[in-house]
Amino acid sequence: EDQVTQSPEALRLQEGESSSLNCSYTVSGLRGLFWYRQDPGKGPEFLFTLYSAGEEKEKERLKATLTKKESFLHITAPKPEDSATYLCAVQVGINTGKLIFGQGTTLQVKP
Amino acid sequence: ETGVTQTPRHLVMGMTNKKSLKCEQHLGHNAMYWYKQSAKKPLELMFVYSLEERVENNSVPSRFSPECPNSSHLFLHLHTLQPEDSALYLCASSQDAGDSPLHFGNGTRLTVT
Repeated sequence: EDQVTQSPEALRLQEGESSSLNCSYTVSGLRGLFWYRQDPGKGPEFLFTLYSAGEEKEKERLKATLTKKESFLHITAPKPEDSATYLCAVQVGINTGKLIFGQGTTLQVKP
Repeated sequence: ETGVTQTPRHLVMGMTNKKSLKCEQHLGHNAMYWYKQSAKKPLELMFVYSLEERVENNSVPSRFSPECPNSSHLFLHLHTLQPEDSALYLCASSQDAGDSPLHFGNGTRLTVT
């Protein structure tokens, strides 16, 4: 069965304290792995797509990496505005638009 | 208006009511989606439309009925819902139903009493 698991469920950091979020997956035929950010009361906002093991992408203080079994979202020197829920999703199937989401990691960055 | 717009933002309905959720995208995308987000559970795909044709129905109960009249509009018709259907319903669009990233609306918070 296709499955996506994110850890930790919640993470509290001090401003400037770097850390990583984990997304492990078991799918038959990965078509792409996506990271989204969701703020309270809003829909998820797209951050990155990764397609193959060894691929990395960066945006400001965020860096996403991918292996054959998991992806990491590294947050370097976070700021309070980075506080949000981060969602990982994997695409399965061809041209089905089907994404399987993890439960998310809720990040709180304290000043 | 830009992006993906959902109305209403909040909806309270009784179990015997019939209501509809509306979604409109202004991005020129060809695929549209309905997702359900319940507390402490992952986002759950409900329906996928590509070029106005339904390509995925993720075993959703028949009390949820989608409609996609054109590539810019998507509806979710609700009838005879159960309290456990209370959730945030998110609409999304993407360039196609392949590996294009999703653009989400801000959702409709549905409460079934």
